[in-house]
Amino acid sequence: AQSVTQPDIHITVSEGASLELRCNYSYGATPYLFWYVQSPGQGLQLLLKYFSGDTLVQGIKGFEAEFKRSQSSFNLRKPSVHWSDAAEYFCAVGFSGGGADGLTFGKGTHLIIQP
Amino acid sequence: NAGVTQTPKFRILKIGQSMTLQCTQDMNHNYMYWYRQDPGMGLKLIYYSVGAGITDKGEVPNGYNVSRSTTEDFPLRLELAAPSQTSVYFCASTVSAPGELFFGEGSRLTVL
Repeated sequence: AQSVTQPDIHITVSEGASLELRCNYSYGATPYLFWYVQSPGQGLQLLLKYFSGDTLVQGIKGFEAEFKRSQSSFNLRKPSVHWSDAAEYFCAVGFSGGGADGLTFGKGTHLIIQP
Repeated sequence: NAGVTQTPKFRILKIGQSMTLQCTQDMNHNYMYWYRQDPGMGLKLIYYSVGAGITDKGEVPNGYNVSRSTTEDFPLRLELAAPSQTSVYFCASTVSAPGELFFGEGSRLTVL
């Protein structure tokens, strides 16, 4: 079965510093990869997605992610974080031909921004 | 510009009671999903549907039922509520699978 690992449960970053959130997935087929953000008490909002093509994808709010097939990774980055980036971040994966049963989500990384 | 709408946003149930969480989408998406979110556990799939009249179990279906009589609506029914069903429930939809999921704002359910 497919799985997604987000190894960091919590990450604390100073405002203005750079950020990298890690995501690894299992399974051998071509992945469809997503990063979602969830602010407290809110639903999930898509930050960016990768289906094919350029392995560096740009998203909203200044985020980017890079797909590395050799490492089965899809890490999320931002060069300079803002206090408003404090939230829960979820990596998710689906696979072409994997059925209609939605995406598999990681357990999330809670981002804390220090002033 | 409604997208995916869930009701109610909050509900407290007593053990053994039943209720239905409503979900409707106005994007004409065929695929709809119910997830539950528990602290530190990410999102777990309860049920999904690929179109009106077609539903299937996800990873954690026990204690729940769904129906899909129209493209727009995908209600989730909890029968005989138990404390283990205390969670935040999210409905989502997409035009194709796998694809970007559009989420509702969630329904927070507490069973006491």
